[in-house]
Amino acid sequence: GENVEQHPSTLSVQEGDSAVIKCTYSDSASNYFPWYKQELGKRPQLIIDIRSNVGEKKDQRIAVTLNKTAKHFSLHITETQPEDSAVYFCAASPYSGAGSYQLTFGKGTKLSVIP
Amino acid sequence: DGGITQSPKYLFRKEGQNVTLSCEQNLNHDAMYWYRQDPGQGLRLIYYSQIVNDFQKGDIAEGYSVSREKKESFPLTVTSAQKNPTAFYLCASSPQGNGNEKLFFGSGTQLSVL
Repeated sequence: GENVEQHPSTLSVQEGDSAVIKCTYSDSASNYFPWYKQELGKRPQLIIDIRSNVGEKKDQRIAVTLNKTAKHFSLHITETQPEDSAVYFCAASPYSGAGSYQLTFGKGTKLSVIP
Repeated sequence: DGGITQSPKYLFRKEGQNVTLSCEQNLNHDAMYWYRQDPGQGLRLIYYSQIVNDFQKGDIAEGYSVSREKKESFPLTVTSAQKNPTAFYLCASSPQGNGNEKLFFGSGTQLSVL
């Protein structure tokens, strides 16, 4: 099955700096890569996702890049703000038919943005 | 993110006891999932269901059971065979079909052993 490694496990940045979180995956059949954000005491929420037919996707201060050859993808947050402090999870999945994905998650990165 | 409700918020299990966690959604989603969250371990898939009366094991199904008798409901039973049940349990749902992969999570149930 799929195996997803996520680094670093914790990350502290000064407000306004950039943050980068990296993930690697093992299954070359994986073609969907979402990122979820979980604030303290709250449920995970999708913040951005990318499919294997594109190399980069941006949404305001957040971007995700994908390198299929190397089997890794990264989350980039620019101009970090205190409200970006949360645990971020990457995930990967091949398409399993019937319109469904069974995501394998990384272990998470706790991001702290220091004011 | 309303529309998917988990109960109870906190649950305590005694030795040898089965307990059931509730998950209900009114989003008309076909697919439903159960994940277990342990500190530093990410989210691990226990069971999932793509359609009523059908479900499949995830990565860590041992000691758990589910049912999907209604589209809206996907309860998870933690049986006495699960020797380390203390964890945070998250239910999720999603529509089916390409382009509908976003998971909508419930607020979770914290299960502890007495």
